[in-house]
Amino acid sequence: EADIYQTPRYLVIGTGKKITLECSQTMGHDKMYWYQQDPGMELHLIHYSYGVNSTEKGDLSSESTVSRIRTEHFPLTLESARPSHTSQYLCASSKSSGSNEQFFGPGTRLTVL
Amino acid sequence: AQSVTQLGSHVSVSEGALVLLRCNYSSSVPPYLFWYVQYPNQGLQLLLKYTTGATLVKGINGFEAEFKKSETSFHLTKPSAHMSDAAEYFCAVSAPGTAGNKLTFGGGTRVLVKP
Repeated sequence: EADIYQTPRYLVIGTGKKITLECSQTMGHDKMYWYQQDPGMELHLIHYSYGVNSTEKGDLSSESTVSRIRTEHFPLTLESARPSHTSQYLCASSKSSGSNEQFFGPGTRLTVL
Repeated sequence: AQSVTQLGSHVSVSEGALVLLRCNYSSSVPPYLFWYVQYPNQGLQLLLKYTTGATLVKGINGFEAEFKKSETSFHLTKPSAHMSDAAEYFCAVSAPGTAGNKLTFGGGTRVLVKP
């Protein structure tokens, strides 16, 4: 079944830890995106990719980094987590052409203590 | 560049009453427009979208929206609210054919449904 997956769904870690949030899609989409969303707030685009080996920074500056080695996989890494990184992170994907309708994963809620 | 404004960060409706969520956009080219719904601790789910053609668009769960170019609006309606409609709703716009062609989201409207 075509879908988009994010793991873990919830993560609580201590300050200074390195973390990787996983995002995978079986939609066959070239474009993938990471958004950051604080509770009850709007979405902010932090990274996007148009295909393998393509990554771009989004509208909101973020200390996280991303990679796109495989079409279906778009992980996000924080080298040293801080309490200010506490947020929900949403991954999405879309086709290269057409309406740019984006399909979203369930999100990862990150809490840094 | 495109932008989206959602009027009202919170809307409270009674069960069975009309739901009306307002969205105005700006775009340098004919836009594509979307409404998404987000339930607590979940990702966004597409309710409906407008690309071209008929300006009244019907979506899932009884929602519909009308694209009005002269008013640069894409308001979302549902004739009769249900308790399950309580969620956050996001309007979004994309500018097809432009560099990047990213989705730009509004600030969201939280809907509370009163019994």
